[in-house]
Amino acid sequence: AQKITQTQPGMFVQEKEAVTLDCTYDTSDPSYGLFWYKQPSSGEMIFLIYQGSYDQQNATEGRYSLNFQKARKSANLVISASQLGDSAMYFCAMRGISNFGNEKLTFGTGTRLTIIP
Amino acid sequence: EAQVTQNPRYLITVTGKKLTVTCSQNMNHEYMSWYRQDPGLGLRQIYYSMNVEVTDKGDVPEGYKVSRKEKRNFPLILESPSPNQTSLYFCASSLSGANHYEQYFGPGTRLTVT
Repeated sequence: AQKITQTQPGMFVQEKEAVTLDCTYDTSDPSYGLFWYKQPSSGEMIFLIYQGSYDQQNATEGRYSLNFQKARKSANLVISASQLGDSAMYFCAMRGISNFGNEKLTFGTGTRLTIIP
Repeated sequence: EAQVTQNPRYLITVTGKKLTVTCSQNMNHEYMSWYRQDPGLGLRQIYYSMNVEVTDKGDVPEGYKVSRKEKRNFPLILESPSPNQTSLYFCASSLSGANHYEQYFGPGTRLTVT
């Protein structure tokens, strides 16, 4: 079974500082992908970044980077130079394909990030 | 415009009154999925479909039904809603067959069952 754990229910960070949101995972699928989504107060789900289980390099997308440590089963999101608009709920998610071809997605419980001016 | 649409966006109903939340996507995606979002629990997958006529249970399927008769539509059916199904529901779609396909989410449906 897949499992995603986000241990930080809430975080407060000063504007312009970097922030790391933690995510650990567990899966028996041979191949999987890890995603981060942002959910602002308006409610929509916004895709931020993706990391494949076989990718050798950490993914980056603008101010977002994913610190992928496969041996530790962690996929932390790093936001550099935080902005007020980064205040939102952040979800880590995993997509796995089992040996039977079933595709399953699992989300963590989320981290609410608040950027302080 | 590529999008996932859900209707209704808001619904208040009473216990036991059957309801359907519709979901439609215009991106020709094979994979479609329903989630519910509850405070402190994140998003939990209810049902998913990997293609037409292929559906499977997610983590919290009890009390829900789905069907996938057409590729673009994936309705969520609550035959006899109960108050514990009060939640925010999201439909999502993506291509299928590889891990890197991101999901596209609908705007959400806020359901209250009294």
